[in-house]
Amino acid sequence: DTAVSQTPKYLVTQMGNDKSIKCEQNLGHDTMYWYKQDSKKFLKIMFSYNNKELIINETVPNRFSPKSPDKAHLNLHINSLELGDSAVYFCASEGASGNTIYFGEGSWLTVV
Amino acid sequence: GDSVTQMEGPVTLSEEAFLTINCTYTATGYPSLFWYVQYPGEGLQLLLKATKADDKGSNKGFEATYRKETTSFHLEKGSVQVSDSAVYFCALSDSGNTPLVFGKGTRLSVIA
Repeated sequence: DTAVSQTPKYLVTQMGNDKSIKCEQNLGHDTMYWYKQDSKKFLKIMFSYNNKELIINETVPNRFSPKSPDKAHLNLHINSLELGDSAVYFCASEGASGNTIYFGEGSWLTVV
Repeated sequence: GDSVTQMEGPVTLSEEAFLTINCTYTATGYPSLFWYVQYPGEGLQLLLKATKADDKGSNKGFEATYRKETTSFHLEKGSVQVSDSAVYFCALSDSGNTPLVFGKGTRLSVIA
């Protein structure tokens, strides 16, 4: 079973559209993250949730909104997509202290 | 598909000890290789990278050499400090904006 799964894996959409990327983890972890990978492979943290509560909210446009319906899910909704939003977005989850972090396979978003 | 295997943790060292975290990879092409680090309470950061065989990436006293013949990218530091306590991830990526492929991470604890 995939520990952290995110969908879709690939998404091509037009500017101005609204889209969501979903993430689910089956590890029973309390903490989940969204990262954005840029073209130079830098990973920028966007959001972190612990047990459905927002912990880290880095400076990202408010067009990006995370939603955590339960602690196994952390979805990323993006409004009014722009060309600069094209990137790979990674979901990750982390258990209690002492556990490692598991990454999803990434969702490759292309805005045209 | 591409994959990364790194040594499992946790790794516990005394201050000033020598650190090696092993990382090997499988890839169909000629990927770039990366080490990322996550300090407690923070997001993932790029530590160092190498883009072709025999390249050595280095940063903050850490080094890793891209060994194509052994498909390895082991992370080393000659003298660790308590502040190096973190989770370290080995990763690879093909050219362009393709998603990173992560290892499972190795938690390092350095005690004074």
